[in-house]
Amino acid sequence: GQNIDQPTEMTATEGAIVQINCTYQTSGFNGLFWYQQHAGEAPTFLSYNVLDGLEEKGRFSSFLSRSKGYSYLLLKELQMKDSASYLCAVRGSTGRRALTFGSGTRLQVQP
Amino acid sequence: AAGVIQSPRHLIKEKRETATLKCYPIPRHDTVYWYQQGPGQDPQFLISFYEKMQSDKGSIPDRFSAQQFSDYHSELNMSSLELGDSALYFCASSSFTSGGKETQYFGPGTRLLVL
Repeated sequence: GQNIDQPTEMTATEGAIVQINCTYQTSGFNGLFWYQQHAGEAPTFLSYNVLDGLEEKGRFSSFLSRSKGYSYLLLKELQMKDSASYLCAVRGSTGRRALTFGSGTRLQVQP
Repeated sequence: AAGVIQSPRHLIKEKRETATLKCYPIPRHDTVYWYQQGPGQDPQFLISFYEKMQSDKGSIPDRFSAQQFSDYHSELNMSSLELGDSALYFCASSSFTSGGKETQYFGPGTRLLVL
């Protein structure tokens, strides 16, 4: 089966840095994705990791450790528009391409 | 850039009615996924199609069926609707030919309300 854990809510200040953690236990692993989702809208792709290490993309970075079943999303220079839910999703195996999502972390950016 | 298109965006139905949701993937994408997201929940995978053939099946009820057509658009057919079917239904598309770094891009969703 698949088990993906994320904190339910986080609060941070505009201009600051926030790290959202995700731990997973899955039968097979073929990639971890981070999506941003504003309420009532579609998930928007942020990043993808399949090998250990850090992937950087502008203000967003994502890290993966496969041996620890652990990933984090790092958001720098927070802006008010970054207030959203952040979903960690895992593709479990090469045979199954569908994503299994964590329950998401609701981030509130305060002035 | 072209995105995934879903229609309708909003749908209101009564219990026991049927509904059809449509999805038009990004051009040249060969795979379509359907997800259901209940209020305050994470998206749950329902079913997927690759090159017009069903490629994987998740937690899709037997009352639901889906298919992908020759132009790659997909339809999710929902019958005998229940109150619990009220949710956001997302379609995502991807290109399998992109190899291991396949990324799913989500459409805006169809919000279904069953009364």
